[in-house]
Amino acid sequence: NAGVTQTPKFQVLKTGQSMTLQCAQDMNHNSMYWYRQDPGMGLRLIYYSASEGTTDKGEVPNGYNVSRLNKREFSLRLESAAPSQTSVYFCASSQERQGLQETQYFGPGTRLLVL
Amino acid sequence: GESVGLHLPTLSVQEGDNSIINCAYSNSASDYFIWYKQESGKGPQFIIDIRSNMDKRQGQRVTVLLNKTVKHLSLQIAATQPGDSAVYFCADQGRGYQKVTFGIGTKLQVIP
Repeated sequence: NAGVTQTPKFQVLKTGQSMTLQCAQDMNHNSMYWYRQDPGMGLRLIYYSASEGTTDKGEVPNGYNVSRLNKREFSLRLESAAPSQTSVYFCASSQERQGLQETQYFGPGTRLLVL
Repeated sequence: GESVGLHLPTLSVQEGDNSIINCAYSNSASDYFIWYKQESGKGPQFIIDIRSNMDKRQGQRVTVLLNKTVKHLSLQIAATQPGDSAVYFCADQGRGYQKVTFGIGTKLQVIP
């Protein structure tokens, strides 16, 4: 049981390049999330997916797109990377039970540097 | 959780002593609260949670206290060990909502 896995661990991009961050969970959770973490700030939600086939914008969605490929996988795409997108990106998943969201479990993160 | 600026608050504790980390939240509708531990270069790791119908919950060496009147949450770590050194942050969530609000965290430094 690997929990939440993310690839790649590190990435350096030039401004304008595109890339996709991959996330997978093996806990059979319905909900998945993408966050970014910047120094001195709390985790900020980029996009989330409450269930397979649905996605919704979070607090900072501009410049990103997501795909909920199946129940296990949720990818984050940067179409044209900008230096402001330099950050650490975390994927998380959680399960809803009886109308209540339970704890979110996080992956190890992807460290992205945009030059 | 609330933002307290660019610099993480730091708590330095002697090994073996108890640690208390505090957190204030702003949403009076929040009913689920979680504490996470984040070690350098790693993802946040769940420590303990509490729902709003409780004011105290205990785990192994950790206790969470919730004061809904003043919207305050605390994490107590008993007999702090070097392996406890990390950033700790709280999170709160409203009933029926996907969105979780995360604090920026407190850095715990354990002095051997």
